[in-house]
Amino acid sequence: GEDVEQSLFLSVREGDSSVINCTYTDSSSTYLYWYKQEPGAGLQLLTYIFSNMDMKQDQRLTVLLNKKDKHLSLRIADTQTGDSAIYFCAESIGKLIFGTGTRLQVFP
Amino acid sequence: EAGVTQFPSHSVIEKGQTVTLRCDPISGHDNLYWYRRVMGKEIKFLLHFVKESKQDESGMPNNRFLAERTGGTYSTLKVQPAELEDSGVYFCASSQSPGGLQYFGPGTRLTVT
Repeated sequence: GEDVEQSLFLSVREGDSSVINCTYTDSSSTYLYWYKQEPGAGLQLLTYIFSNMDMKQDQRLTVLLNKKDKHLSLRIADTQTGDSAIYFCAESIGKLIFGTGTRLQVFP
Repeated sequence: EAGVTQFPSHSVIEKGQTVTLRCDPISGHDNLYWYRRVMGKEIKFLLHFVKESKQDESGMPNNRFLAERTGGTYSTLKVQPAELEDSGVYFCASSQSPGGLQYFGPGTRLTVT
C-alpha cells in the first residue's frame, strides 16, 4: 500500500545540523519531495530529488535517497531559528503521498 | 509569475451550511490537484484534474464534496452540507505535466462549528 512515515518531532540547537528521516513504500515514485510549512503559512516546496538520484545538495540542504531501503533524509546544515517549521516528506506517484510531518524546533 | 492562489484564506461556517473554495493554478498548468489536512493528520489527496477533466477522484471522501474545473482554468471545491469532520486545511496544487513538480497554494482553513 501507499504509506510514508516520519518521526513527529525533532529538537536541535541553533548552529547544529538537523536530519529529518522519512520512509516510503512505493518503489514507482518519480519524485520525492520535501515541503516546509511555517505557522499560518502554506506548503513551500523546499527541495526535491528524482528517484534515479542518490543525493542532491542545495546550499544548506542535502537530500539523500536510498532506493533499496526506500529511505529519504533531509539534512539542514547550520540550523537557524527561522528553520523552525513542520517538514513534510512526500512521494509522487502522480498524486502525492505525504508523511505526517516532522515538527522541527530550533532552540538557542 | 504568480503562484497558486486560493480563496478564501479562512472560512467559518455552521454544520449543514455550504461552502465553496476556489483555486487558481499557475498559468499554463493543466494539472490541478486538491488535498486536505484534517485534525492535524496527514495531508491527503482528494482529486486530480487534467484541464477540465477529472483524472483521479479516488480521494474524495463522499458525495458531499463536488469539485469542478469548468474551462480548465480555476477550480472550485464545494462542500454541501458541511459536517464537523470537514474542518481542516484544504490545499490546491498545480503542475505542468502529470507527475511533474507540484506547487501548492497557501491553503484554505475551513472551520465547521
